[in-house]
Amino acid sequence: DAKTTQPPSMDCAEGRAANLPCNHSTISGNEYVYWYRQIHSQGPQYIIHGLKNNETNEMASLIITEDRKSSTLILPHATLRDTAVYYCTGGGNQFYFGTGTSLTVIP
Amino acid sequence: GAVVSQHPSWVICKSGTSVKIECRSLDFQATTMFWYRQFPKQSLMLMATSNEGSKATYEQGVEKDKFLINHASLTLSTLTVTSAHPEDSSFYICSARDDRGPYEQYFGPGTRLTVT
Repeated sequence: DAKTTQPPSMDCAEGRAANLPCNHSTISGNEYVYWYRQIHSQGPQYIIHGLKNNETNEMASLIITEDRKSSTLILPHATLRDTAVYYCTGGGNQFYFGTGTSLTVIP
Repeated sequence: GAVVSQHPSWVICKSGTSVKIECRSLDFQATTMFWYRQFPKQSLMLMATSNEGSKATYEQGVEKDKFLINHASLTLSTLTVTSAHPEDSSFYICSARDDRGPYEQYFGPGTRLTVT
């Protein structure tokens, strides 16, 4: 099973970019990386996913290393509403969530 | 965007009773839905995969006779917690994937179950 490793917590100043890393060194070549976030006491929210190329949508950017062993989720201009737990999941095991990164955006 | 609803959003029941939680995909069809459980300050734990028209697939350690799953249509899956006990108190979350792809999950808002 593909497993992921994320730092337990991070702080980011409001308006600055938040860069959240994820290690998924066991991911297989055809497996996607998915990112979700969960605001307290709510269901998780899909953010973005990618396979090999970097991806961008209205919420975030996803940078995947060439060897695909790690990725970084970028929130370009963090707001207080981005305070949440962010999960990356690997490949076919996008249903197995690790402990995630608790991001706190500071005013 | 894809929307998944859950009902009820919270429920309190007495020990020994059963509780049914509904999960609906509102604007897409979902052959496959998923049920998770989340305890306070912990991550989501996958309980089972719900397949329309067939039996659910349960994760190791999840009692299928206690957590009954029915996926009777392409937009509705239900989870019934039978003979609930206080240790079943948790936050139950469903998710669904659009049959048309791509295959990210869309989550419901969750159901807070408290068993007294």
